[in-house]
Amino acid sequence: GAGVSQSPRYKVAKRGQDVALRCDPISGHVSLFWYQQALGQGPEFLTYFQNEAQLDKSGLPSDRFFAERPEGSVSTLKIQRTQQEDSAVYLCASSLAPGGNTIYFGEGSWLTVV
Amino acid sequence: AQRVTQPEKLLSVFKGAPVELKCNYSYSGSPELFWYVQYSRQRLQLLLRHISRESIKGFTADLNKGETSFHLKKPFAQEEDSAMYYCALRTNTNAGKSTFGDGTTLTVKP
Repeated sequence: GAGVSQSPRYKVAKRGQDVALRCDPISGHVSLFWYQQALGQGPEFLTYFQNEAQLDKSGLPSDRFFAERPEGSVSTLKIQRTQQEDSAVYLCASSLAPGGNTIYFGEGSWLTVV
Repeated sequence: AQRVTQPEKLLSVFKGAPVELKCNYSYSGSPELFWYVQYSRQRLQLLLRHISRESIKGFTADLNKGETSFHLKKPFAQEEDSAMYYCALRTNTNAGKSTFGDGTTLTVKP
């Protein structure tokens, strides 16, 4: 593929709704990362996968956030019972090797909770 | 815990002038430092990393462990350098996690 692909690009959710954000990494990339970027701030780490294993989920802000990568390729970030503070851009990234130096980012999914 | 600080939110220079984007970090171990760039309407992309000691698009950055800094420099700025720049740190104990600064918006005026 051309790069890391994320969908939907834009999502408006009513407070309390569940949302699911999808990430298609570059084919063959072992590592996959999710970041949250609030307006005017830098990306903040959420979670990291190596193949299908979720090696680090220390950045998930609450138990409303859940990420999976069941077959080691596509990943989904799910947010339950969305709150206004969840409004942000959610960035997915992938790299070829575990801890690889070159991380490729997607364009992000813009979530607005109203 | 590690932290990255970019003290300037906005930086404006004229074309042809030197530019320096500041980055300071706090981490007790040996970090890996990176600069990422995001041009208008494009995705975040890696610009350079300290271990490569490379120059990309005329930009260089030197890791100064004594001052815990990793400033990005270019001797002659170009209009196409206008973008958002993020400094990021990764540790050797957790290669899966990068810590980013809040970014500096660079504007190069004609």
